[in-house]
Order: sequence, then C-alpha cells, then structure tokens
Amino acid sequence: EVQLVESGGGLVPPGGSLRLSCTASRFNIINYNMNWVRQAPGKGLEWVSYISSAGTMSYADSVKGRFAISRDNARNSLFLQMSSLTDEDTAVYYCARGVPADISDWYFDLWGQGTLVTVSS
Amino acid sequence: QSALTQPASVSGSPGQSITISCTGTSSDVGGYNYVSWYQQHPGKAPKLMIYDVSIRPSGVSNRFSGSKSGNTASLTISGLQAEDEADYYCSSLTSSSALGVFGTGTKVTVL
Repeated sequence: EVQLVESGGGLVPPGGSLRLSCTASRFNIINYNMNWVRQAPGKGLEWVSYISSAGTMSYADSVKGRFAISRDNARNSLFLQMSSLTDEDTAVYYCARGVPADISDWYFDLWGQGTLVTVSS
Repeated sequence: QSALTQPASVSGSPGQSITISCTGTSSDVGGYNYVSWYQQHPGKAPKLMIYDVSIRPSGVSNRFSGSKSGNTASLTISGLQAEDEADYYCSSLTSSSALGVFGTGTKVTVL
C-alpha cells in the first residue's frame, strides 16, 4: 500500500527540540515534492514547510529560523527538525506528498496519519 | 501570510446541494489555478477532493465539483449524503513569503 508514516512526536518542554520523521512506502520520495502540515488541537490546517525533489526548501513565517526540513532519499524518508519550541507549536504534524518532480502545481495527494507534538512544561 | 477565508459552517439536508466558498487575494487564489480542496473527518488525516480548481482525483465522487471566479474559489457538494459530514479546507499556492496557504475550514453538517 502506498503510504506515509510519521514518527517522533511527543511531549517537549518550551524551548526544547524535537525531530519528526516520515517514511514512505511503495513510492520513491525522490520523485516528489514533500511537505509538512500541522493542525493545532481544534484548529485548522497550517502549511509548515516544503522541500522540492531538487532540495529547494520553504517555510511558513511562523516557523522560519526554528524548523528545518530535510530528506534522505536513500532511506525514503522526510524529516522536520524543530527547535525553540513554544506552546503555539503544539499540534498534530502531518507529512504530505506534493506534486511530482518537475510539475508546476500545488496540492497534497497523500497524507500520513500524523504525529502529535505537545509543547508543555 | 493570512489564511484564506471560508465560512465556519454550512449545512444541508440529504440530497440537497451546498457550496463552500474560499476567498483569498490576487497573490493566491486569484493568481493561480492551483486551488485544492480537502475533506477531513474527525480524528482522520485530510483527503484530497479537488485539485487545480476543478479536477477530481481518481476515486472521488462526481458529486464534488470545484470552480473559481476572481479571488474566490468554491466547492459544491451535490446530492448531499450523511458521509459528507466533515470539515473541508481549501488551499492555494501563494506568492507571499510562504509557499502555500490553507483556508480557515468549513464544518459541513448534514441535517
């Protein structure tokens, strides 16, 4: 089955760091642009970060300078390194597949089940 | 980057049609034909329902349709069914400092 599986969420104190992982199955992430999207409890979706198949990265203003997206094509995995966390970063974090490489478009056609990050003392 | 504006809630009876609006600016919805729509049931991951304003992915019911006029996109659900009760979000590429933006979300209730 084609799927994305996130891991790495948990409870972290304010100011702390956490690294999320997303492993893809039955497709190669090297052929796609990949994204992280988050959803605070009871709130809407918020796009967080993007990495193209060529390695170009982009971030939401709310996380710029604190979060870093990366990918390991050999491990078929996507990562999100989060630092200087605040309670506003508390959310379910979803890994989402974007468009195929070299395609000019914007949508997310495959989502993981999400991993919960709770920032609290 | 401000979220795209959607109505908080929309309701309809089974069999009826409803329309959800998604209002942005010329920097996002109005500037690109890259509007997509997502359905999210409670506790579940979002599901792509429409992309490129009006294209349905394989497997999505033809009761779902999308359109756009100026800075406002719309999702119409015809023949409303109980299973359509969920939250719906629009999304667009944006030329702002961020790359992408979502709508505020709309809760659809089937009466």
